[in-house]
Amino acid sequence: QVQLVQSGAEVKKPASSVKVSCQASGDTFDSYGIGWVRRTPGQGLEWMGGIIPAFGTTNYAQKFQGRVTFTADESTTTAFMELNSLTSDDTAVYYCARDVVGSHFFDYWGQGTVVTVSS
Amino acid sequence: QSVLTQPPSVSGAPGQTVTISCSGSSSNIGAGYDVHWYQQLPGTAPKLLISYNTNRPSGVPDRFSGSKSGTSASLAITGLQADDEGDYFCQSFDIGLSGRGREVFGGGTKLTVL
Repeated sequence: QVQLVQSGAEVKKPASSVKVSCQASGDTFDSYGIGWVRRTPGQGLEWMGGIIPAFGTTNYAQKFQGRVTFTADESTTTAFMELNSLTSDDTAVYYCARDVVGSHFFDYWGQGTVVTVSS
Repeated sequence: QSVLTQPPSVSGAPGQTVTISCSGSSSNIGAGYDVHWYQQLPGTAPKLLISYNTNRPSGVPDRFSGSKSGTSASLAITGLQADDEGDYFCQSFDIGLSGRGREVFGGGTKLTVL
């Protein structure tokens, strides 16, 4: 049974950074990508990009390019998302999700990490 | 604004059938990219409901079905149950004008079971 377990809720000040982790169990990173999706209050789902841990290749949504970094540690099957220069608009629930490379859909999701940006 | 367009809300009584539409364009659904559907119940993470337009992952009841035609797709839910109440999202791939691909979601549809 594949599980993605994310780190806990964060409260951050504007202009600071947040780093969210996503540990996979029940399978390896081989042949899979990890995508990052957020849901802002009252809004829908927004794709931020993803990483293929086996190769370290990343793909960032244009909106977040230059402000977000995806990394992965294969030894611990953990992926990370770091978002910089936070504003109140970044207050959201952040999800990691697994995709089979090339499938373009997400079959397993983490439980979500609430990030609140407030002064 | 979302790249894929969904109705903000739909509703139906228990046992009835509802359909949720997902409208795209020639750079995503109309370009032949598949549509996938997710269910997000209150307080939970999204769950894959339909992949590759019509495919139900193991464990998803056959009350849920998907279809795709042209630049649009639909999710049908038959035999509505109270615990179907939540948000539903469509998702596809968009190649865009720059040729740089991205995953895109619909704005979501809130299903209310009356």
